[in-house]
Amino acid sequence: NAGVTQTPKFQVLKTGQSMTLQCAQDMNHEYMSWYRQDPGMGLRLIHYSVGAGITDQGEVPNGYNVSRSTTEDFPLRLLSAAPSQTSVYFCASRPDRDGPYEQYFGPGTRLTVT
Amino acid sequence: AQSVSQHNHHVILSEAASLELGCNYSYGGTVNLFWYVQYPGQHLQLLLKYFSGDPLVKGIKGFEAEFIKSKFSFNLRKPSVQWSDTAEYFCAVNAGYGGSQGNLIFGKGTKLSVKP
Repeated sequence: NAGVTQTPKFQVLKTGQSMTLQCAQDMNHEYMSWYRQDPGMGLRLIHYSVGAGITDQGEVPNGYNVSRSTTEDFPLRLLSAAPSQTSVYFCASRPDRDGPYEQYFGPGTRLTVT
Repeated sequence: AQSVSQHNHHVILSEAASLELGCNYSYGGTVNLFWYVQYPGQHLQLLLKYFSGDPLVKGIKGFEAEFIKSKFSFNLRKPSVQWSDTAEYFCAVNAGYGGSQGNLIFGKGTKLSVKP
């Protein structure tokens, strides 16, 4: 299993540009999520999904869109990038059922918005 | 709303010193507790987790944590740190599974620097 994969690893955008951060998992996990990591802030949840066709907002959803058309993929879209979105973005997944399941994290995408 | 507090922003230790990182959470119901580690330039890896049973849980690389329900705490410990333990450590909590209950709430993290 490749686990959780993310592309790209690094990205530089200009203010106002749009882009999609890709996330895929091959573990057949129902639950997927996106976090952003900023210095001194820990990780904060942007959006999450408990299955194909089901998404919901987390703590910091403004400026981001998501969709979940398949179990495997959960892309994060920045429609009009702003410098405040400079961050490291992590995707994670886990089974969405009762049990001692942890979230598995991808390697991250470091995004700089100038 | 749930929240997680990590008491120390940056801890500096010499090799072989003992480590204890504090974590407190605020949530009145049943919780699942996690410690993740992030080595420089890498992604998060699970150190250990608590779901139920013995409140003293052992994880990888000699780490352990104790869940004290009355104190809403889940402190991370290691008897003797190594230089390779230099990393950032995150405490996290969720309320289970199913919708937003599965969402992890993270503390702000504690940077550990171990001097050789």
